[in-house]
Parts: sequence; C-alpha cells; structure tokens
Amino acid sequence: DSGVTQTPKHLITATGQRVTLRCSPRSGDLSVYWYQQSLDQGLQFLIQYYNGEERAKGNILERFSAQQFPDLHSELNLSSLELGDSALYFCASSVGLAGVRTDTQYFGPGTRLTVL
Amino acid sequence: AQSVTQLGSHVSVSEGALVLLRCNYSSSVPPYLFWYVQYPNQGLQLLLKYTSAATLVKGINGFEAEFKKSETSFHLTKPSAHMSDAAEYFCAVTFSGNTPLVFGKGTRLSVIA
Repeated sequence: DSGVTQTPKHLITATGQRVTLRCSPRSGDLSVYWYQQSLDQGLQFLIQYYNGEERAKGNILERFSAQQFPDLHSELNLSSLELGDSALYFCASSVGLAGVRTDTQYFGPGTRLTVL
Repeated sequence: AQSVTQLGSHVSVSEGALVLLRCNYSSSVPPYLFWYVQYPNQGLQLLLKYTSAATLVKGINGFEAEFKKSETSFHLTKPSAHMSDAAEYFCAVTFSGNTPLVFGKGTRLSVIA
C-alpha cells in the first residue's frame, strides 16, 4: 500500500458526460501528479500541483482540468468525454520540497475510466 | 527533452533464469532514473531508483540496476526469476526531484514454469 488513495476505482460513463476523479496523497506529501495510462499512448504525465498551485503541465487536454485543495487532496475533472478518454488515470504524490534530490513519486491504485 | 526507450515490449524467461530488462535514456542533464512494476489491475510500485549516488542500485524483490553513463543505460536485472515476478515493468526518467516522470512504453515479463 503506497498510502495514496484514489476514488472511485472504476467509472463507466457515456460520451459527452463529465466526471471527477479524486486523489488523496500520502500524509505529508505536498506534490500531486496526474498520469494517464492508455494502450496506445502508454503512461503520460498530465498535470502537477504543489501545495495548491499548478506546477507543471503535460499533455493535458483543454477539456480536462485539475485542482489541489487546502487539505492537499486533488481532483481531476474530465468533461465532454470521448471514447478515446477511456484509460487508467493514476495519481502520484511526493514530498515535493525543493532541493530534495531523492524525491520519489508514490502511485495510487488508479481509476479505470470507461467511456461508452 | 528527456526520453526513455525500453527494448522489448515482451520478455519471457524460465523460472530460475536471469531476468534482464533493458532501458536506455536520453537526457541533456544528469538524470534521475526509476524502475516501477505494475501487477495486473494494480498501481505502479517503485522497485528502485538512481539519484546520482551509487551506480549500482539495489531494489526490492531481489532486483538491481546499474547506471552506465557511457551507454546511457539503466538495465534492470534479477539473478533468478520467480513466478511472482510476472508483471509489467516501466523505466522512467526525470531531471530533478519534484518533477514529472517520463516513462518508457513498458516491458511485460512472463515467467515460464
């Protein structure tokens, strides 16, 4: 158990809908990362938050957005869903302190999104 | 920009045989390198990491990896495969702590009895 929790575990929805994925980082971790895993694209970084602020952006679609709340949990919002958004979405967390050379990302179990 | 290439999308070994999973990286700055394992229907678990200390890194479950700068490689090895090692293995690179990981496409390891 990595200490990172994600809900829900599975999500089935229809095209055009909007869903929210939730992530709770390990206790004490300030950084949260979102990754998407799909068969054709592999594991791709979407977005990172550090202590409530957006820190880095990857291949995240404009239809997707995220935020990190004061209690450090994060939510990934996916809207106007398309069939191609079906994937496994992972959240990872790390301590995130500047200058920590051994900072390690610990991954949650993921949310499997199926868009029908 | 950084990138990772994992040679072989599928590797099959006999139980008790040497496991060798290949990873080559590209980075314009000294990299931090990681190996993660993903068991079916589970998240990614950290096996080991290189952060510029010792070049030979020992991880969990008997795995180790050696950082070779001249070859830009970080291959994962285990002397004797066990059935429980069957999983997907991902090599990842980043350029400092607290930065996103760039993953390879993964190598699926099958262990044959």
